[in-house]
Amino acid sequence: DIQMTQSPASLSASLEEIVTITCQPSQDIGNYLSWYQQKPGKSPQLLIHSATSLADGVPSRFSGSRSGTQYSLKINRLQVEDTGIYYCLQGYSAPWTFGGGTKLELK
Amino acid sequence: EVQLQQSGAELVKPGASVKLSCKTSGYTFSNYYMSWLKQMPGQNIEWIGNIYGGNGGTGYNQKFKGKATLTVDKSSSTAYMDLSSLTSEDSAVYFCARTQNWEGCFDYWGQGVMVTVSS
Repeated sequence: DIQMTQSPASLSASLEEIVTITCQPSQDIGNYLSWYQQKPGKSPQLLIHSATSLADGVPSRFSGSRSGTQYSLKINRLQVEDTGIYYCLQGYSAPWTFGGGTKLELK
Repeated sequence: EVQLQQSGAELVKPGASVKLSCKTSGYTFSNYYMSWLKQMPGQNIEWIGNIYGGNGGTGYNQKFKGKATLTVDKSSSTAYMDLSSLTSEDSAVYFCARTQNWEGCFDYWGQGVMVTVSS
């Protein structure tokens, strides 16, 4: 199975701050990387697919990038509604696997 | 509007089985895969497997083979997951999620259903 190492595990940031979360797969996954936001008691919501493509309806302050084998989710100008847990997912090879999650809180 | 509506919470006894449903609307069911996922309280998300709405073809995470069985009813655009021989380790929230296989992502999710295994 492909292991997804996500960091940091938790993060506290201020309003309007720039936040970056990263994921490192244990082997090549091409651009089969997506990002999700999960609020307490809710299902995850797709933010980014194909490493860099913004999902429909997602605010443009969210962006995804890839540098070599490292993938990043960036949130520009953090808003109150951006708190929650963020997960990366590799959909390259079965079983599809998630990163361990990043809990994002407001400072 | 794409919608995935899951059945209600379940309380089941150890050793029993349970069948969860995921009724869809707003898209052509037979054109997409549906995945099922497990999330234990405060834990990571695990992919259980997927099933193609067109022909019922399945793929499973080896970890869940023998535990989960995925089926579909095209006539009602509904996906099902049977969980068998339940133990406390199966207590979790289970999600169905429409799968974009070509992009390797889940674009729409059900609301989740809590399964509690307890005597």
